[in-house]
Formats: sequence, structure tokens, C-alpha cells
Amino acid sequence: GAGVSQSPSNKVTEKGKDVELRCDPISGHTALYWYRQRLGQGLEFLIYFQGNSAPDKSGLPSDRFSAERTGESVSTLTIQRTQQEDSAVYLCASSYLGLARGWFGPGTRLTVL
Amino acid sequence: EDQVTQSPEALRLQEGESSSLNCSYTVSGLRGLFWYRQDPGKGPEFLFTLYSAGEEKEKERLKATLTKKESFLHITAPKPEDSATYLCAVQTDTGKLIFGQGTTLQVKP
Repeated sequence: GAGVSQSPSNKVTEKGKDVELRCDPISGHTALYWYRQRLGQGLEFLIYFQGNSAPDKSGLPSDRFSAERTGESVSTLTIQRTQQEDSAVYLCASSYLGLARGWFGPGTRLTVL
Repeated sequence: EDQVTQSPEALRLQEGESSSLNCSYTVSGLRGLFWYRQDPGKGPEFLFTLYSAGEEKEKERLKATLTKKESFLHITAPKPEDSATYLCAVQTDTGKLIFGQGTTLQVKP
């Protein structure tokens, strides 16, 4: 595809359920980022993948959050035992060699009831 | 600790009233500084990249500048369609991309 895609676009879940959010980066982009954006707030860094290097997980808020990426392809962000404070838009971005600005996907809006 | 701070949080301008947004940063090693525009319900849209102090970039009514500690986004004679949230981000020497909280700009006709 021409850009970064994310799925689902919207997700409504019940407190305590697990959710998986998917990000398809631009082909050839070695770097991939996940961010959380609460309503009216800025982008909160979650995790950064760069090629085959160990990911920078320093932004993950708790051990309920995890992310995987196989090579330079799709990434999945998993939130276990969701809480209401997890409600936010989750944005994914990719870039080439981590030397350039990120191209952003449209985001997944997560609502935890 | 790597940190990016934007000011003001919100800015209201009349159409044609020029102003500047500020982004100050503290990072261990700067690879680049980026400005994005974000409209409600959408992902950030790239505007500029700045790499070194003294560098300037322009696009239509927007001009971005960079010093060793901060960046400014100057908006000349803004129009209502410039209303959006403007985000500043810095890329550290490890490739991590850190964002500020953004400045929400409203331009009234």
C-alpha cells in the first residue's frame, strides 16, 4: 500500500478483555513506532522497533502492554486486561532506517467500557 | 531525561495576525527535529524536518527555524484553514522519536 495502515479503525471492548491492534508499515521501512494519544493530549511514546535490534520498550506504561514485530513487517500491539484508562487513539508510524520523519497511520480508537 | 516542551498550549489568532509557536527540547543527541500538523480525528501530517542550528524551512505561510535548544514555527498572515494542532518531535541519537504536547491553533475569520 501507499501508506501506513492500522486495523481496526475503532475498537470497543469491555474492561478486563484483551485487545490486539495491528500496524502495517510502508514497505521497506525499517523503523516502526507506537504512540498513545489520549483525548486532547499529545503523543505518548510507547515502543520503537529498528530493524533486528532490540526494541526500545521504555514507554510501555505497564506489563499489560506488549508489542511484537517480525522483521520489517507487520507489528501488533497487545493490551491485556484492558482498563478504562487505556481508552485512547493508538497511532503507529514507520520510517526508513530511523533517519527520517515518521509516516503515520490513521490510528485505532480504543474505547474500554 | 529526553524532553520536548511546546508553548503555548493554545493560541487564538485573528485571520492575518502573525505569530510564533515554540518548541524547546533537551535530548541526549539530536538527529533531527520535526514539525507536524494534526487535524481532529486524523494522524499527524508531516510539515518540516530541521537537522542543524541555523537551518530554516518554509512552506506557504509557515516557516520553521532551529537553534541549539529550541525551534520556532512562524505563521505569517494565517487563514482559518491553518487551524489545527501543531506538534513538534525530536529524534534522538538512538532513533527514538519524542513528541511535545502540541499547540492548538485557532484562526478566526
